[in-house]
Formats: sequence, C-alpha cells, structure tokens
Amino acid sequence: NAGVTQTPKFQVLKTGQSMTLQCAQDMNHNSMYWYRQDPGMGLRLIYYSASEGTTDKGEVPNGYNVSRLNKREFSLRLESAAPSQTSVYFCASTGQGLRTDTQYFGPGTRLTVL
Amino acid sequence: AQSVAQPEDQVNVAEGNPLTVKCTYSVSGNPYLFWYVQYPNRGLQFLLKYITGDNLVKGSYGFEAEFNKSQTSFHLKKPSALVSDSALYFCAVRDGGGSSNTGKLIFGQGTTLQVKP
Repeated sequence: NAGVTQTPKFQVLKTGQSMTLQCAQDMNHNSMYWYRQDPGMGLRLIYYSASEGTTDKGEVPNGYNVSRLNKREFSLRLESAAPSQTSVYFCASTGQGLRTDTQYFGPGTRLTVL
Repeated sequence: AQSVAQPEDQVNVAEGNPLTVKCTYSVSGNPYLFWYVQYPNRGLQFLLKYITGDNLVKGSYGFEAEFNKSQTSFHLKKPSALVSDSALYFCAVRDGGGSSNTGKLIFGQGTTLQVKP
C-alpha cells in the first residue's frame, strides 16, 4: 500500500508557464483534496472532490483547475503560473465515512515560480 | 463559520518534561477535531482525533489530547517530550462539524515544537 503519492516532488516554473500536479491514492477512498501550505498560514484548501465525477472549489481556487480522472487520481493544473503560487502543495484523501474518517496526505510538491 | 486557532507559533520544552500545544476552535454543531504532525520536508501525519466519547483521546507516539467543550479547546499533550518530537503540529476541525458531507478540514496555522536535549 503506497497510500497517497504525488508527482513531481519539486518543480521550478517561469511566470506564465503551465503544469499539472499529479496525485493518486490506492486506498479506495471516495474523497480527495488539494491544499497549499504557506509559512504561517497553515494549509488552505484549493479544490476538493467529494466523490468520483464531482469537484468543488475550496478556500483559494483562483488560478487553479482540477480533474478527478477516476477514483484513484486527482490532478491539479496551473494554467499560467504566477509567483504568488510558489508554495508546497499537498494532496489528501479520505474514505467512506466523511464525517469521521481521517485524511491521509501525500509527501507534497514544492513549487517555485520565478 | 468554523475556525481553529493555535495561539503559539512556537513551543520550547526540555527533553523529559511534559509538553502542551494549544488549540481552540469555533464550530456550529458537534466538533470533529484532529491533530497532525509534519516533520521537515514531509507530508502531514495523523496523530489523533476526537469525534465523540471520552474527553481524553490517545494517539500515536505517546501523544494525547484533551477535549474541553466549555473552553472550546483541544490541547495536545505528552507526559515526557523527546527530541524526536520536534516538528510542526497542526490542529484541524471538520468543516461543518457532524453535518458535513464533504470531509473538508480547516487547519490552524501550526505550532513549531522544539524539544531541547
């Protein structure tokens, strides 16, 4: 069981470039989430997918898009990267019992936008 | 709206001494509360959660947390700190409490725990 995996681990982009962050989980979880972590601000939810086929905006969705490709995979796309999107990005998933289940996190992607 | 506050940016404690990392919350409905730990350059790891039942919750690595409804607090504790406990700790609350059907979490800003030998 790999849990939640993310690729790439590190990425440097120039302003205006695009990229897709990949996330996959092998725990048969229904719900998946994308967060960004910035110093002193905790984790902020970008987008989430409560179940396969659905996606919804979180607290900070501007500049991002997501795709729930199937039950396992949930990708995050930056269409035109900006320096303000320099951050560490975490993917997480949770199981059937949404009210009580724990979220499990991937190792993160460190993104720098120059 | 749901919120979580961690009033201390950093907590310093000597190895062997008890530690407390504070968390207060504001929710409508029943609070579902979580503690996570993050070691340098790693993802978040689940420590423990309070859903219902006993106010003292035991978790991984010898940590425990005390739920106090009247003070709306959920402080993380350990009787004897280890140098290896040094990390960033996050408190979180389920968005929407017991009525949530999305599983979203709201995180505090994090508290750095420094345990000195």
